[in-house]
Amino acid sequence: AQSVTQLGSHVSVSEGALVLLRCNYSSSVPPYLFWYVQYPNQGLQLLLKYTSAATLVKGINGFEAEFKKSETSFHLTKPSAHMSDAAEYFCAVIGRPGTASKLTFGTGTRLQVTL
Amino acid sequence: DGGITQSPKYLFRKEGQNVTLSCEQNLNHDAMYWYRQDPGQGLRLIYYSQIVNDFQKGDIAEGYSVSREKKESFPLTVTSAQKNPTAFYLCASRSQGLNTEAFFGQGTRLTVV
Repeated sequence: AQSVTQLGSHVSVSEGALVLLRCNYSSSVPPYLFWYVQYPNQGLQLLLKYTSAATLVKGINGFEAEFKKSETSFHLTKPSAHMSDAAEYFCAVIGRPGTASKLTFGTGTRLQVTL
Repeated sequence: DGGITQSPKYLFRKEGQNVTLSCEQNLNHDAMYWYRQDPGQGLRLIYYSQIVNDFQKGDIAEGYSVSREKKESFPLTVTSAQKNPTAFYLCASRSQGLNTEAFFGQGTRLTVV
């Protein structure tokens, strides 16, 4: 079964600093990977998705992620953090064909942005 | 506007009662999902449905039941067999295709009193 692991349940950065949120996947076939953001007491919103068209994926709000097959990683980055980026971030993977599109999430990383 | 609607936003249940959470979408999506969210545990899949009248158990299906009688609707019943039902529940839908993203409702917070 395909899965994702998010390293670090909490990440704190200063406003203006680089944001790096880590996601590693486990898959025996090319994965389809997603990053979502969740603000308190709300649903999830898509930031970006990897669909094999390009290894560097740009998303909303200045976020991007790079797919690295050799490292089985799909880390999320943003060059300069803003206070409004404080939220919880989830990495997700679609199951292999034949498992009826099972969509599996990581345990999430809470991003704190300080002045 | 197209979207996915969950109701109610807050729900209180007495121990031993069954409760049903509503999820409706007008996005014409085939697949629908129910997730449970607890602090520090991310989103755990309860049930998912690929098509009307068909659904599969996710990772934590015990104590829950679903139905998919209409494409637009995927209600979740939390039964009395679920020993720790207090959580935030999220419904999602997506169209067919491996590279399509899921759209989420705003969630229902269930509390056992």
